[in-house]
Amino acid sequence: QVQLVESGGGVVQPGRSLRLSCAASGFTFSNFGMHWVRQAPGKGLEWVAIISYDGSNNYYADSVKGRFTISRDDSKNTLYLQMNSLRVEDTAVYYCAKALIRRASNNPPVDWGQGTLVTVSS
Amino acid sequence: QSVLTQPPSASGTPGQRVTMSCSGSSSNIGSNAVNWYQQLPGTAPKLLIYGNNQRPSGVPDRFSGSKSGASASLAISGLQSEDEADYYCATWDDSLNGWVFGGGTKLTVL
Repeated sequence: QVQLVESGGGVVQPGRSLRLSCAASGFTFSNFGMHWVRQAPGKGLEWVAIISYDGSNNYYADSVKGRFTISRDDSKNTLYLQMNSLRVEDTAVYYCAKALIRRASNNPPVDWGQGTLVTVSS
Repeated sequence: QSVLTQPPSASGTPGQRVTMSCSGSSSNIGSNAVNWYQQLPGTAPKLLIYGNNQRPSGVPDRFSGSKSGASASLAISGLQSEDEADYYCATWDDSLNGWVFGGGTKLTVL
């Protein structure tokens, strides 16, 4: 079955960088687009970024555009989120999620990891 | 302030039918399919409805979705205590070039 395991979260000071990873198994990783979605403590879901199944198209939320970069390594079945110039308001649980439809552009998240907590604080 | 507007709370008694709304605009719900997620306390979200009204395998037919214009609704019939959760709508926004979520509706089973 689909398994997604996020890692790389932790406490970081404002302005610093952090890279999150998401190890995928149980499906053919290279056939599916992947999302990052975050949830601030006690708040709702906020979509962060998506990468297409072939890596050719990436889209970002305005709140992270220019600071975050989504990427994938299909040889390692791993999704990444490079987060630069972190702000206090980036504090959240970050979930990676597999897109619903194989080899299709831009479709919704269906399978989610358990998330990794990023805390941005001085 | 979320692009998609959901009522913050809803409630019902066991066995009852409840509905919750999700309001958007022509650039999101008006032109793209709506998806619904259930998030039980302390867990990751789960896809309940995709493509406005399609249920992934394993989701009970008590859950149903509909869309009209720039609004969508999730209905839960035969309400059960385990349905107590947060529910989010989500869709693609053509103007923002990104996915958007509603602020979520907290369902309480009385």
